[in-house]
Amino acid sequence: EPEVTQTPSHQVTQMGQEVILRCVPISNHLYFYWYRQILGQKVEFLVSFYNNEISEKSEIFDDQFSVERPDGSNFTLKIRSTKLEDSAMYFCASDNREGNTEAFFGQGTRLTVV
Amino acid sequence: GNSVTQMEGPVTLSEEAFLTINCTYTATGYPSLFWYVQYPGEGLQLLLKATKADDKGSNKGFEATYRKETTSFHLEKGSVQVSDSAVYFCALTPTGTASKLTFGTGTRLQVTL
Repeated sequence: EPEVTQTPSHQVTQMGQEVILRCVPISNHLYFYWYRQILGQKVEFLVSFYNNEISEKSEIFDDQFSVERPDGSNFTLKIRSTKLEDSAMYFCASDNREGNTEAFFGQGTRLTVV
Repeated sequence: GNSVTQMEGPVTLSEEAFLTINCTYTATGYPSLFWYVQYPGEGLQLLLKATKADDKGSNKGFEATYRKETTSFHLEKGSVQVSDSAVYFCALTPTGTASKLTFGTGTRLQVTL
């Protein structure tokens, strides 16, 4: 069964450093998403991406965040200068939307900012 | 705006017990409703969904009915197994697609022998 894969599974970084979280969506999917879950809180939408551009983003997704699909298979989330409050589980998801209302999620990357 | 409220966890049950995890929502229009499950060490998986009022989603013995009059989508299972131990997330989208899911906080279920 096709799946969304995320790397790394756990990333520890120092405050102020840049991190890149990587995702490989399902190959025939066209819509890509990042969500995050701070420990003990809700899973929150960050951004959606379609046709090589952001289609929607939340208030959380400020100038410190960016997304990219650099090579037609990977979908990355970059945090330019990490803050302690960026510590969370980050989930990537994808769907093809046409006739399929299910979003497929990766297993998540746990980011710890120290 | 849209929001989802789930019952607090953790929920601890003995095997073969009846499970209910409450979920209520606030949304304009006619959202689609979902239950996702996260098993230990894995990603979020769609468990079931309902896209219009009175629809019942079902999968793996779990059921949930879209109740517009009470804005609820409670998850039920008649007889839980140890393998059902996981975190369950109620979610909605404002349209018929899976875009921009709004999630609840998740409810951890622990099933013991």
